[in-house]
Amino acid sequence: AQSVTQLDSQVPVFEEAPVELRCNYSSSVSVYLFWYVQYPNQGLQLLLKYLSGSTLVESINGFEAEFNKSQTSFHLRKPSVHISDTAEYFCAVPTGGFKTIFGAGTRLFVKA
Amino acid sequence: EADIYQTPRYLVIGTGKKITLECSQTMGHDKMYWYQQDPGMELHLIHYSYGVNSTEKGDLSSESTVSRIRTEHFPLTLESARPSHTSQYLCASSEGDNLSNQPQHFGDGTRLSIL
Repeated sequence: AQSVTQLDSQVPVFEEAPVELRCNYSSSVSVYLFWYVQYPNQGLQLLLKYLSGSTLVESINGFEAEFNKSQTSFHLRKPSVHISDTAEYFCAVPTGGFKTIFGAGTRLFVKA
Repeated sequence: EADIYQTPRYLVIGTGKKITLECSQTMGHDKMYWYQQDPGMELHLIHYSYGVNSTEKGDLSSESTVSRIRTEHFPLTLESARPSHTSQYLCASSEGDNLSNQPQHFGDGTRLSIL
């Protein structure tokens, strides 16, 4: 069975510090991977996606994630965070058809 | 900017009432979904639809029902609300065929509280 594990429920970090949000998955089929972000009182928004090709994918606001098949990981990183990055981040694996498996989320707190 | 709209955003209502949560999308997507979201938990799929007149139950057992009479509209109904229905409900849609792995577009959610 496919599953997604986000290893940290909360990550506090100071502004301008680097951050890594960890995601591990298990899948017996071809892997597609997403990161979504949810700001307070909003729905989820797609942050970045891995479908094929380069294992390093980037978002427009400075986040990046690297698909590591041998470690079954898709960790999200940003070299310097801003207050506005405070949000909840969800790792997700679409399984084909209708179903996407979401992790439990990591709440990122950026402190001044 | 959302292309998928949920109303109401917040609802506080008494036990036993009938509730309909509205969801509409303007992107022409065939696939639509309803999720239940509780703090610290993964999203749980409660209903999905492949297109007009197609609805299926998701992984999480739910006493709610859905309908899909028009492509753009996917309302969720609770015939008799109970306190256990208190949660946030997220509607989403995606494009592509049945074997697609396209990302989903989410509405801003309805936060439901049953007293």
